[in-house]
Amino acid sequence: QVQLQESGPGLVKPAETLSLTCSVSGGSITSYYWHWIRQPPGKGLEWIAYIYHSGSTNYNPSLKSRVTMSVDTSKNQFSLNLRSVTAADTAVYYCARGGNPFDFWGQGTLVTVSS
Amino acid sequence: QSVLTQPPSVSGAPGQRVTISCAGSSSNIGAAYVVHWYQQLPGTAPKLLIYGNTNRPSGVPDRFSGSRSGTSASLAITGLQAEDEADYYCQSYDSRLSGSVFGTGTKVTVL
Repeated sequence: QVQLQESGPGLVKPAETLSLTCSVSGGSITSYYWHWIRQPPGKGLEWIAYIYHSGSTNYNPSLKSRVTMSVDTSKNQFSLNLRSVTAADTAVYYCARGGNPFDFWGQGTLVTVSS
Repeated sequence: QSVLTQPPSVSGAPGQRVTISCAGSSSNIGAAYVVHWYQQLPGTAPKLLIYGNTNRPSGVPDRFSGSRSGTSASLAITGLQAEDEADYYCQSYDSRLSGSVFGTGTKVTVL
């Protein structure tokens, strides 16, 4: 059974960079597409970006100027960097596998943007 | 920023049938991109409920069913149970955005 686990700071200051890592266990990262999805408190889901093990990426146009994803196949991990954050970036951030559909999800991690 | 529109809420008594609509456009559902549905219980991550418009993953009760027609899709829950109280989201691919899109979400309440 594939398992995903997000990790990273729970509090980020405005204008700084939000950095999260997703660790994948129970399966290899060298197949499938790997995604980040977020959910502001009390609101709906928003797809952020995906990466393939080769390193190819695709970003949500609304976030593209601030987002970077990377993958480390040796550690079976992939990461998200979101620059110049504001309070609007406060959300639960999920990592997930697939995309068509998203068949495995991490438990999510709450990131709050506040000074 | 959701491009798939769902009703904010639906409700029904135990045992009843409820349906949740997911309205899209010619760049997503109308372009024959498949629709998936997720159930999100309070405080938990979304769980895949229906994939490829109509298919249930192993372990999902057959009370849940999906359909797609034209630029929209629907999720039906028959024999509604208290444990079905949750938020439900549709998801597809949008060619204009070149990425995945989610519905606005629907809260199901069991009366």
